[in-house]
Amino acid sequence: KQEVTQIPAALSVPEGENLVLNCSFTDSAIYNLQWFRQDPGKGLTSLLLIQSSQREQTSGRLNASLDKSSGRSTLYIAASQPGDSATYLCAVTPHAGGTSYGKLTFGQGTILTVHP
Amino acid sequence: GAGVSQSPSNKVTEKGKDVELRCDPISGHTALYWYRQSLGQGLEFLIYFQGNSAPDKSGLPSDRFSAERTGGSVSTLTIQRTQQEDSAVYLCASSLLSTYEQYFGPGTRLTVT
Repeated sequence: KQEVTQIPAALSVPEGENLVLNCSFTDSAIYNLQWFRQDPGKGLTSLLLIQSSQREQTSGRLNASLDKSSGRSTLYIAASQPGDSATYLCAVTPHAGGTSYGKLTFGQGTILTVHP
Repeated sequence: GAGVSQSPSNKVTEKGKDVELRCDPISGHTALYWYRQSLGQGLEFLIYFQGNSAPDKSGLPSDRFSAERTGGSVSTLTIQRTQQEDSAVYLCASSLLSTYEQYFGPGTRLTVT
């Protein structure tokens, strides 16, 4: 059974810092990995998708890397801003045939607070 | 374009009643997913529809839960004889089968009293 772990559970940083969020998964047979952001009381916003054949993806100040063989991904946020405050979730899709192909297994999330 | 929409946004029901939650996926997305988010349990997969294939129901917690997808678009999640432990936010997502990048709706907050 796939298990996804995110470290740290919570992180508080001053504005302007660069920071790294970590995600690990136990089964390396994944199709892709997604990073999401969730604001309080809201749904999930997709930030980055990394296919299993890729090593990293970048979007603006965000960079996500994937090391499938070691079961790890990191989300790097450059020059953090108070508006980045949210819960960040990592999730993986299994690489298996049949109907289990698409379902996501989520980590518990990292609660990020960026203070001015 | 329009994103995933869900209705109602909030639902309060009495224990033992049936509820229906609705999801409208992004137009053209052939895969649709239901998840549940509750305190202490995180986000859990419930059911997955992939095109015309039989749905993956492996995440449904009991036979009180069922879902259907009509015409390959709109989906309804039904919970029969609701219990207090069913209280949670129910999230719907959709994706293309080419990328499996999932886009989520705003969720339905279900409270069972």
